[in-house]
Amino acid sequence: AQSVTQLDSQVPVFEEAPVELRCNYSSSVSVYLFWYVQYPNQGLQLLLKYLSGSTLVKGINGFEAEFNKSQTSFHLRKPSVHISDTAEYFCAVSDWEETSGSRLTFGEGTQLTVNP
Amino acid sequence: DTGVSQDPRHKITKRGQNVTFRCDPISEHNRLYWYRQTLGQGPEFLTYFQNEAQLEKSRLLSDRFSAERPKGSFSTLEIQRTEQGDSAMYLCASSPLYHSTGELFFGEGSRLTVL
Repeated sequence: AQSVTQLDSQVPVFEEAPVELRCNYSSSVSVYLFWYVQYPNQGLQLLLKYLSGSTLVKGINGFEAEFNKSQTSFHLRKPSVHISDTAEYFCAVSDWEETSGSRLTFGEGTQLTVNP
Repeated sequence: DTGVSQDPRHKITKRGQNVTFRCDPISEHNRLYWYRQTLGQGPEFLTYFQNEAQLEKSRLLSDRFSAERPKGSFSTLEIQRTEQGDSAMYLCASSPLYHSTGELFFGEGSRLTVL
């Protein structure tokens, strides 16, 4: 069974400040990890993903995340946020296998609010 | 192709009525998923199709819910005798069968409000 814990439900920051959104996971199979962003009344857009290889993953809009197997974490970071980054962010783990598709298990989300 | 499309985007209905949502996946994607997202929560898996075959259903999918994908292209999710607890955003996602990286491509969702 898989699970995802997002440690902060809300993160308020000021514009141009750095931000870290924390995510811990548990999984009994190979780990594929994702961060999605959701703007109000919209679907989910992929920010970045970790499948294998380098533990530092770069995504869109200047976001990056680091996979830490020993700490079972996949924290999302951005060195300088903008007002437009205000949104809900979801961490997800996949039990994807080539033959059976992907069922993403999501965390409960972190609302990032960027204030001027 | 511009992505996964869902219709309607918003639906308000009275308790006890039936509602149906439609999802058109990315055209070359064989796999199609339905998720439900309630306010303040992450999306929860409901069901999954590979082509026209429904391969998995979550325990969240009660007998009042039925999903179909008759020709392996678009899918419908019907909720019968709606209850207030069915109020949620219903998200559709798709992915390719081969050369997939596990990523799901989501539509913008259909928001259901049951009065």
